[in-house]
Amino acid sequence: AQTVTQSQPEMSVQEAETVTLSCTYDTSESDYYLFWYKQPPSRQMILVIRQEAYKQQNATENRFSVNFQKAAKSFSLKISDSQLGDAAMYFCAYRSYQSNSGYALNFGKGTSLLVTP
Amino acid sequence: EAGVTQFPSHSVIEKGQTVTLRCDPISGHDNLYWYRRVMGKEIKFLLHFVKESKQDESGMPNNRFLAERTGGTYSTLKVQPAELEDSGVYFCASSQTLGGTAFFGQGTRLTVV
Repeated sequence: AQTVTQSQPEMSVQEAETVTLSCTYDTSESDYYLFWYKQPPSRQMILVIRQEAYKQQNATENRFSVNFQKAAKSFSLKISDSQLGDAAMYFCAYRSYQSNSGYALNFGKGTSLLVTP
Repeated sequence: EAGVTQFPSHSVIEKGQTVTLRCDPISGHDNLYWYRRVMGKEIKFLLHFVKESKQDESGMPNNRFLAERTGGTYSTLKVQPAELEDSGVYFCASSQTLGGTAFFGQGTRLTVV
């Protein structure tokens, strides 16, 4: 089974600064998907960014970008120009590309991000 | 358009009692997933419906958990009888297509005392 590790239980960043959340994963597959989800307090978990493993280019969504290092099995999330609304629990997730492996997401334990004024 | 909604948002029950959680997916989404996060641990997959059929139930912990999706619309997850280790946050998600982006609900926090 694939495992996803988020080694930072908590992170803190000042408004307007940049923060990077780390994620590593373990898999023997060559094709897969990686995701970052964000869950603000008492609110729905929403997709922040998605990366297909076969794409070498790092995914970017406005202030959110990833550093995908396939050989190192690393998938970090960079948040630029942090805003108070970025405060949330961030989950890294993996999903197999192969349909016979199912469509379940494998999550890490999450990183709680605090944004200070 | 309404997102994925889950009821109740919180539930506190005694050990041995029964609890039923409900999930309303986004309209038109055939795929519905249940996940659970036990305190301090990863969010774990429980099962996946395609319409009313169970596509994958490999994550269901034991036979005290029963998931249904009659008619292929909303889904319920019943825990009977509840045990202390069942405490956690239960998430529901839906997607329009197999492998499509999963949209999550806000979760149901279940506390078994």
